[in-house]
Amino acid sequence: SQQGEEDPQALSIQEGENATMNCSYKTSINNLQWYRQNSGRGLVHLILIRSNEREKHSGRLRVTLDTSKKSSSLLITASRAADTASYFCATESRAQKLVFGQGTRLTINP
Amino acid sequence: SQTIHQWPATLVQPVGSPLSLECTVEGTSNPNLYWYRQAAGRGLQLLFYSVGIGQISSEVPQNLSASRPQDRQFILSSKKLLLSDSGFYLCAWSQGLAGGSTDTQYFGPGTRLTVL
Repeated sequence: SQQGEEDPQALSIQEGENATMNCSYKTSINNLQWYRQNSGRGLVHLILIRSNEREKHSGRLRVTLDTSKKSSSLLITASRAADTASYFCATESRAQKLVFGQGTRLTINP
Repeated sequence: SQTIHQWPATLVQPVGSPLSLECTVEGTSNPNLYWYRQAAGRGLQLLFYSVGIGQISSEVPQNLSASRPQDRQFILSSKKLLLSDSGFYLCAWSQGLAGGSTDTQYFGPGTRLTVL
């Protein structure tokens, strides 16, 4: 069953602009993670935010978590062509397992 | 440092043939291991996970099975492939934490399986 739902499903922006992706989930969580996937490749972990955290930064990435709304957002600032990829949120609610959303396909136009 | 390997990278198999995909992890011990399937343009579906040798949990009843003969080896198998088994198969590992919380998962490069 799907826990996380990303929005939008696809996003196309110009290089240098900021990209924002959202994730909503249904049940209480231990943590929420964001992953990136280049076409035809495995997933790469970007950032993990725990349920008692509200915001986290890593380089050009900023993640927020609102447990009252059961939602998270991933902001990529000053986007680059190399940021083109699919981005997935994943939630951990049951021990040892993550549940992934359907992903947002981000395209950065040069 | 830890690395995860999957092979083969691509595979084309006829319907009804057997399947064996292998995943190995280096540089860590007693990892949690996972098999996922990803349909084109979709998210990941967890198929199996293992917290130790011989311990396999199945998430989705289906035509596939998994085994963990060694601590860092995870195998996905099928006796007879179906057309619907086509997809991108990803193996991942994580270091299980005290209390059972899952930390970051690290993914292999994946196997693209086409069943004809």
